Amino acid sequence: DAKTTQPTSMDCAEGRAANLPCNHSTISGNEYVYWYRQIHSQGPQYIIHGLKNNETNEMASLIITEDRKSSTLILPHATLRDTAVYYCIVRVPSGGYNKLIFGAGTRLAVHP
Amino acid sequence: AAGVIQSPRHLIKEKRETATLKCYPIPRHDTVYWYQQGPGQDPQFLISFYEKMQSDKGSIPDRFSAQQFSDYHSELNMSSLELGDSALYFCASSWLTNEQFFGPGTRLTVL
Repeated sequence: DAKTTQPTSMDCAEGRAANLPCNHSTISGNEYVYWYRQIHSQGPQYIIHGLKNNETNEMASLIITEDRKSSTLILPHATLRDTAVYYCIVRVPSGGYNKLIFGAGTRLAVHP
Repeated sequence: AAGVIQSPRHLIKEKRETATLKCYPIPRHDTVYWYQQGPGQDPQFLISFYEKMQSDKGSIPDRFSAQQFSDYHSELNMSSLELGDSALYFCASSWLTNEQFFGPGTRLTVL
């Protein structure tokens, strides 16, 4: 699985958009980009994933560059409850072999 | 909607004792995963089961074993507990290659 690089920490004002970058310059053609987050001591929570195209769901948007070497997770209107560690994970989905390798994610602090 | 259930939520054991953690996946999910998260660390994959067969293995100590039963629930058995086994243990489940849903975790404290 490709290695990812994320900022150690970020701040965001409540109500503003939070843009969390992820570098995955060694990503291969069949690897997807997944985003999970972990609110303090809770189980990690799936946010969104994508292969090439930009994706949007009720939680966030995922922007993947054309060369797929980096991506950005966007929380459009951050709230205090979005304070968490955000993990960018790159892997090939494969039945029974879908383990998640958590690297050092980004600790996002949303402040009033 | 039903979520992943883990029991117990908290467990305190002495060194060299054994512990059994249970996980009940979301109905119709065919894969169960176990992760360990030590204090201040990121979650680490231990082991997974696909359709009741072990499918993948991570850095799981030989003192640990796990299985998935016919009703798809899974148990993580930990023997000869050490202080370093104190951690949060998460179970997750998924269907086919879809996203994983995590349980609330079991906090194990070894004294």
